[in-house]
Amino acid sequence: SQKIEQNSEALNIQEGKTATLTCNYTNYSPAYLQWYRQDPGRGPVFLLLIRENEKEKRKERLKVTFDTTLKQSLFHITASQPADSATYLCALYFGSARQLTFGSGTQLTVLP
Amino acid sequence: EPEVTQTPSHQVTQMGQEVILRCVPISNHLYFYWYRQILGQKVEFLVSFYNNEISEKSEIFDDQFSVERPDGSNFTLKIRSTKLEDSAMYFCASTEPGQGGNQPQHFGDGTRLSIL
Repeated sequence: SQKIEQNSEALNIQEGKTATLTCNYTNYSPAYLQWYRQDPGRGPVFLLLIRENEKEKRKERLKVTFDTTLKQSLFHITASQPADSATYLCALYFGSARQLTFGSGTQLTVLP
Repeated sequence: EPEVTQTPSHQVTQMGQEVILRCVPISNHLYFYWYRQILGQKVEFLVSFYNNEISEKSEIFDDQFSVERPDGSNFTLKIRSTKLEDSAMYFCASTEPGQGGNQPQHFGDGTRLSIL
């Protein structure tokens, strides 16, 4: 069965630095890969989506890359701020299953 | 900005009782979903719903679960006879027309279900 791994459960970085979060998966490549932010006690909030034939997507301080050879997506937050502190989830969509499968998330803390 | 709303925010129920969780998706959305998140664990897909019928469901979504869109605005999840292991946060989500991974999912803030 498909397995999704997100790097280290927790990541601490200094304000102003770039945070890089990793999402690795096994077996088949998804048709789409999405990234969400989740704050404590809240629902996930959509951030970015990338298709299997795209290498990179950007939105303001956020950048997502997708490497189907490595079976990996990287999520970058540049010029990080304490307000970026949250859990970040990657989610994979497989056309055959027609459902989003979430990773367990990486808890990011940006230290002032 | 339109949002998905869920009620109640917290539901406490005795084991074996029926519970109904309610959601109001974003008005022009056509695809609706339920997910659950057990404390400290990942968000898990339960079911998707389109055109008044279930589109996909996971292994978790057994005969104890059902979904309904009783009118033009509400989307409900019913658990017929709750078990202790049903304790979790339940999230409703909806997407614009065009099901699939090419649409962002808009989530509500969830209902925390506690089974005693």
